[in-house]
Amino acid sequence: NAGVMQNPRHLVRRRGQEARLRCSPMKGHSHVYWYRQLPEEGLKFMVYLQKENIIDESGMPKERFSAEFPKEGPSILRIQQVVRGDSAAYFCASSYGQRGYNEQFFGPGTRLTVL
Amino acid sequence: AQTVTQSQPEMSVQEAETVTLSCTYDTSESDYYLFWYKQPPSRQMILVIRQEAYKQQNATENRFSVNFQKAAKSFSLKISDSQLGDAAMYFCAYRSGSEKLVFGKGTKLTVNP
Repeated sequence: NAGVMQNPRHLVRRRGQEARLRCSPMKGHSHVYWYRQLPEEGLKFMVYLQKENIIDESGMPKERFSAEFPKEGPSILRIQQVVRGDSAAYFCASSYGQRGYNEQFFGPGTRLTVL
Repeated sequence: AQTVTQSQPEMSVQEAETVTLSCTYDTSESDYYLFWYKQPPSRQMILVIRQEAYKQQNATENRFSVNFQKAAKSFSLKISDSQLGDAAMYFCAYRSGSEKLVFGKGTKLTVNP
């Protein structure tokens, strides 16, 4: 059973460009979470999605950031008009269910660098 | 809002010795879960151990064990017989019915040969 897949692993963008980060959850998992890790910091929650629904986006910046998890295909975290402060590692995690005892399995992360 | 505090930015231990990493948290919930994650230089997040708040018995996983003090809201990680491969960032995390994980800022563990 393949783990959580994220691509690309590294992404370089210039200020003002768009960044698209993809996450394929583990087989059978329908819950996806996105976290951001700034340098020297812990991971911070951004958004929680189930298939075709955003459940909790309380950690998402109000502008430029959006996320989706379509019925078919990977979850996408989209950052429009990137700025230097968006440089970070973005992690996706998936779980089978939403209850606290369901482990969240993490992907390897996408490191975004904004020039 | 729930918060997780790791007061030790860095720790070091001699190979084969024991080290304890500290974590405190703040919550008004009674039902929750606590976790320790390891992040090696590869940046992959690896679950080390987890504790259900309703369980009084401390969780153990081979060389890793926790000291869970619910009243004090303390959740420390003990690593016994430390190995070079244990060197990593360690993050304490909290989760309740709100689904998301709340992480501390991490402790960088160095293992000296």
